Amino acid sequence: KAGVTQTPRYLIKTRGQQVTLSCSPISGHRSVSWYQQTPGQGLQFLFEYFSETQRNKGNFPGRFSGRQFSNSRSEMNVSTLELGDSALYLCASSLDTRGPYGYTFGSGTRLTVV
Amino acid sequence: QKEVEQDPGPLSVPEGAIVSLNCTYSNSAFQYFMWYRQYSRKGPELLMYTYSSGNKEDGRFTAQVDKSSKYISLFIRDSQPSDSATYLCAMSPSGNTPLVFGKGTRLSVIA
Repeated sequence: KAGVTQTPRYLIKTRGQQVTLSCSPISGHRSVSWYQQTPGQGLQFLFEYFSETQRNKGNFPGRFSGRQFSNSRSEMNVSTLELGDSALYLCASSLDTRGPYGYTFGSGTRLTVV
Repeated sequence: QKEVEQDPGPLSVPEGAIVSLNCTYSNSAFQYFMWYRQYSRKGPELLMYTYSSGNKEDGRFTAQVDKSSKYISLFIRDSQPSDSATYLCAMSPSGNTPLVFGKGTRLSVIA
């Protein structure tokens, strides 16, 4: 069974640019969550989508946005990139977050802002 | 104070040792507790989850939750070099709220 696929794996962008990251969840999984991982802060929750609706949102500025499509694939967008946005962005899918099922994570997109 | 505290290590042990990894937390509403393992250049993978208090065992891994002390542990018996990774604790008040992660403990098991 295919896992969670994130594209691209690596990305280098310049300050002020915008970026779009993509996540294809495991087939049948309807919940997709996004996390930012940095050495200083660890994993921090960005947002969660379920059936194309944002169900939860973390404490990130409005420059971070996301969406989910009818096939459960999700994208996140970061506008006006800052150096501090350099991080590993992880996508996780689950059948539903209700219940102790946990997530299945992708391998992440490593974003470097220069 | 962060909601979840985890010693970042690094922790280095010889092969065959018993490893103890720990997290403390401040939010008494947490009910779901999980341990993830993350290898370099990979995403975290779920190792174990526990609901509320108690112990859970799976092979060489044992997870313990002590809600009265707001303390959770993961024990690894007969540690192997393949266990070398970063271990992340994660917790949530309910099944439909996001997980709050510790920063992770980096473990090296030396052959």
